[in-house]
Amino acid sequence: AQSVTQLDSQVPVFEEAPVELRCNYSSSVSVYLFWYVQYPNQGLQLLLKYLSGSTLVESINGFEAEFNKSQTSFHLRKPSVHISDTAEYFCAVSSNDYKLSFGAGTTVTVRA
Amino acid sequence: NAGVTQTPKFRVLKTGQSMTLLCAQDMNHEYMYWYRQDPGMGLRLIHYSVGEGTTAKGEVPDGYNVSRLKKQNFLLGLESAAPSQTSVYFCASSYGRGYYNEQFFGPGTRLTVL
Repeated sequence: AQSVTQLDSQVPVFEEAPVELRCNYSSSVSVYLFWYVQYPNQGLQLLLKYLSGSTLVESINGFEAEFNKSQTSFHLRKPSVHISDTAEYFCAVSSNDYKLSFGAGTTVTVRA
Repeated sequence: NAGVTQTPKFRVLKTGQSMTLLCAQDMNHEYMYWYRQDPGMGLRLIHYSVGEGTTAKGEVPDGYNVSRLKKQNFLLGLESAAPSQTSVYFCASSYGRGYYNEQFFGPGTRLTVL
């Protein structure tokens, strides 16, 4: 069985400041890791994913996440946020079956 | 490509009424899923399907039924709605499992049961 813990439910941050969203997972087998973003009143969109290879993965809009197998973590970072990054962010983990387990979500509110 | 679409976008039901939510995908994905999203609980899997004609229970299947008569469609039914089923429902699809389990989501259906 696998599970995901997102350590922060709410993260307020000022525009142009850095942000880090923490995600830890538990699984007894190899995993694939995802970050999804949900903008207000919309569905979930894939932000980035780790399947294999380089442990540092990047999105097209400046986010990055690092897979750390020893710490079972997949934290999401952005060095400088914009107002448009206000959204809810979900970490998810999949192993070799159908199941995609989601964390409870982290709401990021960017203030001017 | 439209991706994953859901019908309807909003619905209000009275306790005991029934309804069907329709999900359609045009990506030729084998796997389809129904989730519900409630505040502070993330997404919880209701039912899923690994191919046309197959369905299986997820984490929270009680009170829901599903059917996958065509590969591109996945229907979620509520036979007798209850206030506890007030939620936002998301449909998703994926090419496969494991390595191929990147799931694509629809825009959601907001359901209120009075």
